[in-house]
Amino acid sequence: QVQLQESGPGLAKPSETLSLTCTVSGGSITGYYWSWIRQPPGEGLEWIGYIYYIGSTNYSPSLKSRVTISLDTSKNQFSLKLNSVTAADTAVYYCARVGRFNEYGDYFYYFMDVWGKGTTVTVSS
Amino acid sequence: SYVLTQPPSVSVAPGKTARITCGENNIGSKSVHWYQQKPGQAPVLVIYYDSDRPSGIPERFSGSNSGNTATLTISRVEAGDEADYYCQVWDSSSDHYVFGTGTKVTVL
Repeated sequence: QVQLQESGPGLAKPSETLSLTCTVSGGSITGYYWSWIRQPPGEGLEWIGYIYYIGSTNYSPSLKSRVTISLDTSKNQFSLKLNSVTAADTAVYYCARVGRFNEYGDYFYYFMDVWGKGTTVTVSS
Repeated sequence: SYVLTQPPSVSVAPGKTARITCGENNIGSKSVHWYQQKPGQAPVLVIYYDSDRPSGIPERFSGSNSGNTATLTISRVEAGDEADYYCQVWDSSSDHYVFGTGTKVTVL
């Protein structure tokens, strides 16, 4: 059973860079899309972006200028960097595996199938 | 881009049926997925591709999608179903994922 675990500093200073890592266990990064999603306190879910196991990425238009998602297949990890953070970036950050393969080997990647528990990041001086 | 509109809250008595809507122009042409999020926990996928249930999700959870509205139906509601529910689609034109505004389900 694949599991995801977010890790990184719980506090970031305004104007600095937020950095988080998601470690995948019980399965391989290979073959899948992997996403980051965040949830500000008391608010809804916001998709940040994804990375495919070969390294291609796509980001939310609202965050595109500040976001970088990368991966390290040797460590079965992918990471999020968000620069120039402000208080509005305070949120719980989740990593997720996108989609699943069926019994025929077809990949259905339109939904978030497995989520990490989330990590809280507060932006404050 | 998509704006998936959900009612902020739905209240339902135990044993009754809760229906949570997700609205967007021509959403019936998209595949809609639903997540349950209990307080302090990560979201959990409860319905994918409009009406499929992942293993471990009770049959009381069902979904439908047509026209401008997708619906998550929870039959024989239990106290443990109290949670926030989010719909989600994949926008093929932009290759982006979009979440709905979320609905808080309260069991009376």
